[in-house]
Amino acid sequence: LAKTTQPISMDSYEGQEVNITCSHNNIATNDYITWYQQFPSQGPRFIIQGYKTKVTNEVASLFIPADRKSSTLSLPRVSLSDTAVYYCLVGVRFRDDKIIFGKGTRLHILP
Amino acid sequence: DAGITQSPRHKVTETGTPVTLRCHQTENHRYMYWYRQDPGHGLRLIHYSYGVKDTDKGEVSDGYSVSRSKTEDFLLTLESATSSQTSVYFCATQDRGGDNEQFFGPGTRLTVL
Repeated sequence: LAKTTQPISMDSYEGQEVNITCSHNNIATNDYITWYQQFPSQGPRFIIQGYKTKVTNEVASLFIPADRKSSTLSLPRVSLSDTAVYYCLVGVRFRDDKIIFGKGTRLHILP
Repeated sequence: DAGITQSPRHKVTETGTPVTLRCHQTENHRYMYWYRQDPGHGLRLIHYSYGVKDTDKGEVSDGYSVSRSKTEDFLLTLESATSSQTSVYFCATQDRGGDNEQFFGPGTRLTVL
């Protein structure tokens, strides 16, 4: 299972674009990169998933360079409600590996 | 969102007592998971199920057991609760396993005195 490394915490201001980078140096060929968001007192929820290049949905964009050893979650024009913990997962396998969310990145948006 | 409920939502119990947490889903998802979340540790997998009567251990399974007799229900049992098991417990479901999206329940806050 590919290990991921992401910053423990980040601060930003309303209206800014926020980029959270996740390192996954030993990502395997078949691994996807998945991000979850968790608001206080709630369970995590899926945000976005990608394999290579760029993926965009109504919530975020995910940028994956050619070597796939890292990925960047981009949140455009954040608001106070984007304050949450963001988890990067790589190569989730069932029955083969353990699913590890890790500690995530605690994003704090300031007014 | 998948219809996932957890019961109870809050529980306070004493050390040494058995506790069972229930996760119920209405989406007919094959895979179900139990996680615990503690400050400084993030989300850690306790046990998971890949079908009725099919379960396996996660990274923090000691002191916990699970059962899945029906697709819709996944039970987590603490045979003899300890204070170290004070935590917030989340259940999740998944349709096709692997990298596919997991849907999480609202959580159960358990306090063991």
